[in-house]
Amino acid sequence: GDSVTQMEGPVTLSEEAFLTINCTYTATGYPSLFWYVQYPGEGLQLLLKATKADDKGSNKGFEATYRKETTSFHLEKGSVQVSDSAVYFCALWMDSSYKLIFGSGTRLLVRP
Amino acid sequence: DAGVTQSPTHLIKTRGQQVTLRCSPKSGHDTVSWYQQALGQGPQFIFQYYEEEERQRGNFPDRFSGHQFPNYSSELNVNALLLGDSALYLCASSPRIAGGLGQYFGPGTRLTVT
Repeated sequence: GDSVTQMEGPVTLSEEAFLTINCTYTATGYPSLFWYVQYPGEGLQLLLKATKADDKGSNKGFEATYRKETTSFHLEKGSVQVSDSAVYFCALWMDSSYKLIFGSGTRLLVRP
Repeated sequence: DAGVTQSPTHLIKTRGQQVTLRCSPKSGHDTVSWYQQALGQGPQFIFQYYEEEERQRGNFPDRFSGHQFPNYSSELNVNALLLGDSALYLCASSPRIAGGLGQYFGPGTRLTVT
């Protein structure tokens, strides 16, 4: 079945460091891809999305490119801040299934 | 715009009891989905409601049931609670036509089963 695999955390970085969180997917069709962020004690917020191959989603300095050839959607940010500390979830959506399929999440800790 | 709201925020129940969680969708949204997020894991899809009908269901037992009302709000019911049902329950709403591109999540209800 369709699935999402994320790198395990926690990822610990110093402020202003470069961030990469790896995400790969398995899908029988052509999914839309998403990154969601969850701050402590809160629900999920959509961070960025891409709907087709080679699309780049971006928001708040975060970017991810939909790579069909490698079935990947890695999240990157050039310079992280303490306020970016949260759990990040990669997810896919198939129109045929009406549901989001999430990875297990990657916790990011940014130290001052 | 209030966004997606859920109630209650927290709930403690005893094994074997029944629980009802509530969700009000974002204004203009007619589709509601429910997800279960166990501690340290990603959300798992329970089911989706559209036009007061269950349109899709994930791999959850029949103890999990739901309802959607004419005003698009929704309830999630869980019967015969098990310790393993302890989790954060998330509601997401969207306009039907938006599919996955328009999913807005509420803050969740944290259920603890003792």
